[in-house]
Amino acid sequence: GENVEQHPSTLSVQEGDSAVIKCTYSDSASNYFPWYKQELGKRPQLIIDIRSNVGEKKDQRIAVTLNKTAKHFSLHITETQPEDSAVYFCAASTDTGRRALTFGSGTRLQVQP
Amino acid sequence: EAGVAQSPRYKIIEKRQSVAFWCNPISGHATLYWYQQILGQGPKLLIQFQNNGVVDDSQLPKDRFSAERLKGVDSTLKIQPAKLEDSAVYLCASSRAGGNYEQYFGPGTRLTVT
Repeated sequence: GENVEQHPSTLSVQEGDSAVIKCTYSDSASNYFPWYKQELGKRPQLIIDIRSNVGEKKDQRIAVTLNKTAKHFSLHITETQPEDSAVYFCAASTDTGRRALTFGSGTRLQVQP
Repeated sequence: EAGVAQSPRYKIIEKRQSVAFWCNPISGHATLYWYQQILGQGPKLLIQFQNNGVVDDSQLPKDRFSAERLKGVDSTLKIQPAKLEDSAVYLCASSRAGGNYEQYFGPGTRLTVT
């Protein structure tokens, strides 16, 4: 089955700096890659997603890049703010057969004011 | 639109007891998922329903866990008997179809087994 690895497990940045979180996946059939943000005690919330027919997607301060050949994708947050502090999860799925998400292990991002 | 509803929000039981969780997905969402999230880890799929049929239950510990989705709407997840390692947050999610559509998560049920 699919396996998603995520790095780093913790990331501390100064407010205003950029943050990058990287994930690799194993199943070449995966074609949907969402990123979720989870604040302490809250539900995971989708912040951005990308499908395999595009290489990059941006939404204000957040961007995701996908390299299908290398089977890795990354989340980029620019101009970080204290409210960006949370755990971020990457995930992968296919649109055939089993379609549920396989999640990475999470990255705890701490933005220091 | 109303979000995914789950109850109870918290549950504390002793090992070997049984427990049940309830989920009401977003109206019109055909696909429903139950995930288990152990502290410090990403959610792991337990079971996926498409309408009232099971699509994937390969990671469901069937000797103690069961789930159903009668009439293709609400779903219940049951654990009997519970073990200490079942302590986790149980998240229900739904999506419009089984394809690559956004999954909306409920608030979760935090289970503590003592």
